[in-house]
Amino acid sequence: TQLLEQSPQFLSIQEGENLTVYCNSSSVFSSLQWYRQEPGEGPVLLVTVVTGGEVKKLKRLTFQFGDARKDSSLHITAAQTGDTGLYLCAGYSSGGGADGLTFGKGTHLIIQP
Amino acid sequence: GAGVSQSPSNKVTEKGKDVELRCDPISGHTALYWYRQSLGQGLEFLIYFQGNSAPDKSGLPSDRFSAERTGGSVSTLTIQRTQQEDSAVYLCASSLKVWGAGAYNEQFFGPGTRLTVL
Repeated sequence: TQLLEQSPQFLSIQEGENLTVYCNSSSVFSSLQWYRQEPGEGPVLLVTVVTGGEVKKLKRLTFQFGDARKDSSLHITAAQTGDTGLYLCAGYSSGGGADGLTFGKGTHLIIQP
Repeated sequence: GAGVSQSPSNKVTEKGKDVELRCDPISGHTALYWYRQSLGQGLEFLIYFQGNSAPDKSGLPSDRFSAERTGGSVSTLTIQRTQQEDSAVYLCASSLKVWGAGAYNEQFFGPGTRLTVL
């Protein structure tokens, strides 16, 4: 069974601060996705990383895939209240969950005004 | 809009009753997924349909759960003899491409059905 551990589970910070959340596994994934989910809605894809060591930027969000493709991080610079939500990572590998995709349990992020 | 839709948005039922949850995927998407999300938790895979292939039922938690997809489009998830531990948000997603070596695709999620079993 492929497992993705996300940390921290909960994070509450002030607007304007920086933060990093992590997604770790003992398994190798051929690609990894980050989704954000707001209350009452389904998750929405933010980014997919495919190559070990890859870094992708989406405005104030920076995503990194570990060199060994076992872990990933999401860094948010100057957090805004609109960043509040549940951040889920999902890794793809053969033998994984739905069509190869396994989700972590998520990081609940609250940005205080 | 042309996103994934789910109905009902909320369902309250009594223990032991059967429930049916519906998912309308994005038109043209060949893959359809059902997940369960308990309060504050991540997504638990339930079942996956791809085109006309036999569904991957490996995530269904018990034989009380079943799903079908008619005409390669609309899907219904049925839970028989509901139990209190079935209470959760049931999310449906669809995607255009099939996962494969070196390939990836985006899953588009519906808003979910919140099921409460009393």
